[in-house]
Amino acid sequence: RKEVEQDPGPFNVPEGATVAFNCTYSNSASQSFFWYRQDCRKEPKLLMSVYSSGNEDGRFTAQLNRASQYISLLIRDSKLSDSATYLCVVNNNNDMRFGAGTRLTVKP
Amino acid sequence: EAGVAQSPRYKIIEKRQSVAFWCNPISGHATLYWYQQILGQGPKLLIQFQNNGVVDDSQLPKDRFSAERLKGVDSTLKIQPAKLEDSAVYLCASSRSGGPYEQYFGPGTRLTVT
Repeated sequence: RKEVEQDPGPFNVPEGATVAFNCTYSNSASQSFFWYRQDCRKEPKLLMSVYSSGNEDGRFTAQLNRASQYISLLIRDSKLSDSATYLCVVNNNNDMRFGAGTRLTVKP
Repeated sequence: EAGVAQSPRYKIIEKRQSVAFWCNPISGHATLYWYQQILGQGPKLLIQFQNNGVVDDSQLPKDRFSAERLKGVDSTLKIQPAKLEDSAVYLCASSRSGGPYEQYFGPGTRLTVT
C-alpha cells in the first residue's frame, strides 16, 4: 500500500460545480496534513493546511478524518483558474510525503 | 522576498554522463529539500538538510546521487552516472526550521537523459 494515495482523476467539471477529492494515508502516526496545488509544468504551492477541526478558506474546505486516515478537499463554485493538480501531503516527524496528485479541469 | 532559485532550468545529457543542479533557498530558511518528480507522479523526497546537516536521505540512491549544503545555504545535487530513469524534474524547496512549515519550491530543473 502506498503511503499517500489519491485518485489521479482527471476530474472534468463545469464552472460553478462543486468537486471533492480524497486522500488516504497509511501511517496512523502522521501529525500534519496539507494540500498543495501544482499548475502544469510549474512548482507546487501550498493551498492550505488541514487542521483536525477542519478549515475553510473561501471556496475551499479541507477536512481530516483520523479514524479512517483520510483527508479531503472540497472546492465550491469552481472557476476556470482552479484547473490544476492537487497534491495531498502527509507529514510524520518532518518527513513530508506527497501523493501523486489529482488532476482537475474546470470547463466553461 | 526572493524565492527559491534553481539552475539550470533544463538539462539534456546522455546516459552515464554526470550532471549537477544548484539551489539557493529563501534567505533565513534553515531547512532545504531536494525532490525528484517523475511525470505523472508526486514529488519524492531525495534528501533533507537542516542547516548543513542531513536530516533524511533514506530515499537518495547513494550509489549515483550525492548532495551537499556547505555553509548551510546553497546546495548542489549531483548524479553520476545518470540513467534513463533519472529523467525527471528536480525540485528544491526550503522552509523555516522547527516545522513542519510551508515549503517554498523553486521552479525546478527538468532533466532529460537520452
